[in-house]
Amino acid sequence: DTEVTQTPKHLVMGMTNKKSLKCEQHMGHRAMYWYKQKAKKPPELMFVYSYEKLSINESVPSRFSPECPNSSLLNLHLHALQPEDSALYLCASSPEWDPRDTQYFGPGTRLTVL
Amino acid sequence: KNQVEQSPQSLIILEGKNCTLQCNYTVSPFSNLRWYKQDTGRGPVSLTIMTFSENTKSNGRYTATLDADTKQSSLHITASQLSDSASYICVVTDGQNFVFGPGTRLSVLP
Repeated sequence: DTEVTQTPKHLVMGMTNKKSLKCEQHMGHRAMYWYKQKAKKPPELMFVYSYEKLSINESVPSRFSPECPNSSLLNLHLHALQPEDSALYLCASSPEWDPRDTQYFGPGTRLTVL
Repeated sequence: KNQVEQSPQSLIILEGKNCTLQCNYTVSPFSNLRWYKQDTGRGPVSLTIMTFSENTKSNGRYTATLDADTKQSSLHITASQLSDSASYICVVTDGQNFVFGPGTRLSVLP
C-alpha cells in the first residue's frame, strides 16, 4: 500500500460545528503532516508529527487541533472555524521527518465553512 | 529570506508540443529541489528530486535540470498530453524547511 488516504473528500460545516478530518497511511512512515492550500496558492505547512509527537506547529490558530493516535493515523479536529478557513486540507507522510525524504500527499479534503 | 519563484504563472500549449517551466530560488543552504505535479483538487505527486550534485534527472516525458550556481531549475515536458494539464510546483529544502513555489498552471489543449 503506497498511498495516503483522507476522509472525507468534501466537508461543509457551520462556524459553530465541530468536525474532524482523518488521514491514514500504511507505508510505515514515521512523519506525518497537515497542510492548508487556498485556491491557486501553494500548500502551507500547518503541523508536523514525528514518531507520533507534535514537532512543528506553524502558529496555527487553536481552532485547529491535530491528533496522532498511532503511527498510521493523523486527525485534524476543527471547532469554531471561520469562512476564511475554507480551503483544501492536505495530509502527507514521509519515512522520517527529513527534508531529504519525499513526502507522499493524500488527495485532500475540500473544506467549506459557511 | 528563503523564496522560490516560478515562471510562467500559467501556460497554455497544444497537445503534442513541448514546454519548459522555470524555478528560481534563494533558499540557503540548499539541500534538494523537487518538482511536484498537482491535479486540480488533488494532492501533489512527486515527479523528480535533485540534490546539489545532480544536473539533470528524467522521469518519463519529464526532465528536470538544476544549476546550483545560478540557483535555477527547469522542468521540461516532452510531447505533452491532455493529462499533463495540472499545476507544477517547485519545492526547495534547506535541510530543515520546505519552501514551496507558487506553481505554474499548465493547460494542454487538443
